[in-house]
Amino acid sequence: EAGVTQFPSHSVIEKGQTVTLRCDPISGHDNLYWYRRVMGKEIKFLLHFVKESKQDESGMPNNRFLAERTGGTYSTLKVQPAELEDSGVYFCASSQEKQPNYGYTFGSGTRLTVV
Amino acid sequence: EDKVVQSPLSLVVHEGDTVTLNCSYEVTNFRSLLWYKQEKKAPTFLFMLTSSGIEKKSGRLSSILDKKELSSILNITATQTGDSAIYLCAVRGGIQGAQKLVFGQGTRLTINP
Repeated sequence: EAGVTQFPSHSVIEKGQTVTLRCDPISGHDNLYWYRRVMGKEIKFLLHFVKESKQDESGMPNNRFLAERTGGTYSTLKVQPAELEDSGVYFCASSQEKQPNYGYTFGSGTRLTVV
Repeated sequence: EDKVVQSPLSLVVHEGDTVTLNCSYEVTNFRSLLWYKQEKKAPTFLFMLTSSGIEKKSGRLSSILDKKELSSILNITATQTGDSAIYLCAVRGGIQGAQKLVFGQGTRLTINP
């Protein structure tokens, strides 16, 4: 089975620009999560989708971040306008609804650099 | 605020040594503790622990949870250079149905030949 796929793997943008990250979860996985690791800090939760619905978005830092999962398949995370502190590695993970206690499968991440 | 602390943050040993990595946590309504190994890219799942005192084992790796001490250890015996990685501890807690993980800073393990 294909793993969690994230695109792009790297992105360098200027402050004030817009960037959209994409995540394709494992087929059949209803749960999709976004996490972020900024330099020197631990990985932190951003939000959780169950199918197309936002179950928990308590980790979203501010309204410059918009996550969508139309149709309950892939998800996008848009940052608009990007700020320097948004630099970091953005991870996506997925898990099956019926196996909430299973270890989530992570993607390889998107390294975002805002200059 | 929920918190996970790992120690040591960095460890360098020789091939063949045994290592013990530590993870302590303070979370509301603890549900499970997970260990991940991160080499270059995606963290890969190692273990999930929910019950105190029951050891999970996979080859040279093993882990155990101590709910009384709010901690877990990850042991790696007869280490190999391929074990070099960042080892992440994460805890799931919170309200019923909550799925988010709280991560520690990770332990960077380096195995020298």
